[in-house]
Amino acid sequence: EADIYQTPRYLVIGTGKKITLECSQTMGHDKMYWYQQDPGMELHLIHYSYGVNSTEKGDLSSESTVSRIRTEHFPLTLESARPSHTSQYLCASSGGRGWIAFFGQGTRLTVV
Amino acid sequence: GQQVMQIPQYQHVQEGEDFTTYCNSSTTLSNIQWYKQRPGGHPVFLIQLVKSGEVKKQKRLTFQFGEAKKNSSLHITATQTTDVGTYFCPYNQGGKLIFGQGTELSVKP
Repeated sequence: EADIYQTPRYLVIGTGKKITLECSQTMGHDKMYWYQQDPGMELHLIHYSYGVNSTEKGDLSSESTVSRIRTEHFPLTLESARPSHTSQYLCASSGGRGWIAFFGQGTRLTVV
Repeated sequence: GQQVMQIPQYQHVQEGEDFTTYCNSSTTLSNIQWYKQRPGGHPVFLIQLVKSGEVKKQKRLTFQFGEAKKNSSLHITATQTTDVGTYFCPYNQGGKLIFGQGTELSVKP
């Protein structure tokens, strides 16, 4: 199994709250990604990072922000959660040749 | 820009039937990867193909990379209920790993 962890697994919060979804990997991978996925729908890339201090927005516009201060850590923050942010958020990392991605177990976020 | 289309989007089969999903690219691919996501789970890497015409097998799964490296297929022989899930062939677009819709397989026992 890959060593990439996401916390929390499930989160229910009220509208307007600030939240941070955690993602950590112990494989030393340079590249990390955040995807958003609604049930039965496709994976949308919302953020990615090539390494420390490098972050880019993905194909799907998102109100979330990310940071990459350490190689192993790639947290995602929502400053003011809304019901439209309800979704599953998946973090992944890849390294070396071939871009093989390893995923965390995801965070299922519900904003009420 | 590069586009990779995966077909079909959905496939419903009776247990024991075969299943095939295809990925077709508008440009030549350096490699292709396949992933499986079980319902409620996260994508898990299955295999990577690199060489033109490459064929790899994992038990009942056969993966093929086209001669022109523009298409790939995943074939499952005699599907089982454990094969249920969504199969993806993501592509690398300037550093971004794009997964798309995948093919959702359901198996009726």
